[in-house]
Amino acid sequence: DTGVSQNPRHKITKRGQNVTFRCDPISEHNRLYWYRQTLGQGPEFLTYFQNEAQLEKSRLLSDRFSAERPKGSFSTLEIQRTEQGDSAMYLCASQGAYEQYFGPGTRLTVT
Amino acid sequence: AQSVTQLDSQVPVFEEAPVELRCNYSSSVSVYLFWYVQYPNQGLQLLLKYLSGSTLVKGINGFEAEFNKSQTSFHLRKPSVHISDTAEYFCAVSVRGAQKLVFGQGTRLTINP
Repeated sequence: DTGVSQNPRHKITKRGQNVTFRCDPISEHNRLYWYRQTLGQGPEFLTYFQNEAQLEKSRLLSDRFSAERPKGSFSTLEIQRTEQGDSAMYLCASQGAYEQYFGPGTRLTVT
Repeated sequence: AQSVTQLDSQVPVFEEAPVELRCNYSSSVSVYLFWYVQYPNQGLQLLLKYLSGSTLVKGINGFEAEFNKSQTSFHLRKPSVHISDTAEYFCAVSVRGAQKLVFGQGTRLTINP
């Protein structure tokens, strides 16, 4: 399978803990995106990378959130001091010519 | 800024009936348009896209959509639905040259036997 993969698929954590998610894009894609989707809503843009450079961050991405893409391959999204409001599906996508291909997502539940 | 409005949060239809899911967008510049489908607990799968050219675009699973610039709409249609089409459908836009997607709130399509 050469699609976008994300790990873990599910994460349950206690409020105040740190969590990290990983995304492995389609290998030849240079652009990688992170989105957040809450229940009953469409995905909302968080940030994106062109190779290893983080080129845009949404104002949704508070200072508790950090994303990296070392060497322009996989990417990680870390949330520090999680809050209940962080509970959501975190989606990663990599971009072909014009369209984005999404991974299965990581569902985060903060208790 | 761009925005997308999906006019129906839920659409129930009977199996083998036609369906139309409505999408309107707002943008002061040219955009690319997309429809994605999301099955329960899964990521999004691209159904079809409009970049330029013919305003009627065909996608996977028998879906098609028509771009109407004057009405700023991009409605999704299927002439005959199946139980397997039950899912959440999202319309999205991106500004040409700035590739992040702006999504609508989604339309839940429910197929009744």
